[in-house]
Amino acid sequence: DQQVKQNSPSLSVQEGRISILNCDYTNSMFDYFLWYKKYPAEGPTFLISISSIKDKNEDGRFTVFLNKSAKHLSLHIVPSQPGDSAVYFCAASGGSGGSNYKLTFGKGTLLTVNP
Amino acid sequence: GAVVSQHPSWVICKSGTSVKIECRSLDFQATTMFWYRQFPKQSLMLMATSNEGSKATYEQGVEKDKFLINHASLTLSTLTVTSAHPEDSSFYICSARRTAHISYNSPLHFGNGTRLTVT
Repeated sequence: DQQVKQNSPSLSVQEGRISILNCDYTNSMFDYFLWYKKYPAEGPTFLISISSIKDKNEDGRFTVFLNKSAKHLSLHIVPSQPGDSAVYFCAASGGSGGSNYKLTFGKGTLLTVNP
Repeated sequence: GAVVSQHPSWVICKSGTSVKIECRSLDFQATTMFWYRQFPKQSLMLMATSNEGSKATYEQGVEKDKFLINHASLTLSTLTVTSAHPEDSSFYICSARRTAHISYNSPLHFGNGTRLTVT
């Protein structure tokens, strides 16, 4: 049972346009969400996060939106650049006790930004 | 720059042999490190939580006798895949949080991963 779902395995956008990456979750105990970016043959790198007490967090070109009622979050990249081409993982944490420290990842979405 | 170093980046071994993967935190102490595994086009799956000075905590379905974890110091955790078989071929990634961050919500820093191929 996958608790964090990224239903789009890939996304292709034109340079300068907006990239929207989506993520859905099923576990209502999740209260912290993160996006990681991964290039081939490298480990994931942290991009941006959001706490469940917020519905938006912005950092430069990257904005994460959280809709708790829909259990949905999205990552917006504006404007998209070719260097943004990578796999983006959505991750969530939360719950009681030791599970607080665990991250549950989605399968990732491959973003390709075309020049 | 990288804050978590993982070695080796790739390894090929014969079936039945053991392979050790090292994970080091470079400029901070990590009392807890996490080992993940990723199959192609799949998500990162947590295998175990490595605790400095104590036994690792394994996720359900992960064989602790097969995947030996040692966290001997505050900057080093090792994962040993014992008696490796072709089905163990995968991408293994370690991660850590900086202990200076109080909140459990501080992001994980990942190593670059180890591509293990068992022939």
